[in-house]
Amino acid sequence: AQKITQTQPGMFVQEKEAVTLDCTYDTSDPSYGLFWYKQPSSGEMIFLIYQGSYDQQNATEGRYSLNFQKARKSANLVISASQLGDSAMYFCAMRDSRDYKLSFGAGTTVTVRA
Amino acid sequence: DTGVSQNPRHKITKRGQNVTFRCDPISEHNRLYWYRQTLGQGPEFLTYFQNEAQLEKSRLLSDRFSAERPKGSFSTLEIQRTEQGDSAMYLCASSFLSSGGGEQYFGPGTRLTVT
Repeated sequence: AQKITQTQPGMFVQEKEAVTLDCTYDTSDPSYGLFWYKQPSSGEMIFLIYQGSYDQQNATEGRYSLNFQKARKSANLVISASQLGDSAMYFCAMRDSRDYKLSFGAGTTVTVRA
Repeated sequence: DTGVSQNPRHKITKRGQNVTFRCDPISEHNRLYWYRQTLGQGPEFLTYFQNEAQLEKSRLLSDRFSAERPKGSFSTLEIQRTEQGDSAMYLCASSFLSSGGGEQYFGPGTRLTVT
């Protein structure tokens, strides 16, 4: 069974600073994908970044990067140069090769302060 | 706008009534998913279609829940005899089978309130 753990229920970050959101996962499948989504107060889930289990390099998308540590089963999201619009809930999710659904963590609320 | 759309965005209904939600996926996407999200939690998978075939429905919360995707295009999620515990956000997502990690793109959701 898959399990996603996000241990930080809420975080505050100063505008223009970087923030790291923790995510650990548990799976016995050697082939899996890790995803991060952003959910603003409007409710829509916005896809941010994807990391495949066989990818050699950490994924990056603009100000988002994924710090993938496979041996530690960790997939932390780093947001650089935080902006006020980054204030939202962030979810880590996983899908393995046998599955189709995403399994989500409980989420981390990020609040960016001016 | 070619993203996933959902209608209605909000639905208030009385306990015992039936409700139906619609999802229009991104046009070239062949997979469609329904999730439910309650306050303060991550989305929870309900069911999934590949084209018009419903390949997984065991996660539907009870036999009051059903979903269809006629002709492999839009999908509907119906809840019969609604209960107060059905109050939640219902999210639809779509993906393309062979695209990268198969990342799913979500619609804005339908927020259901059962009074």
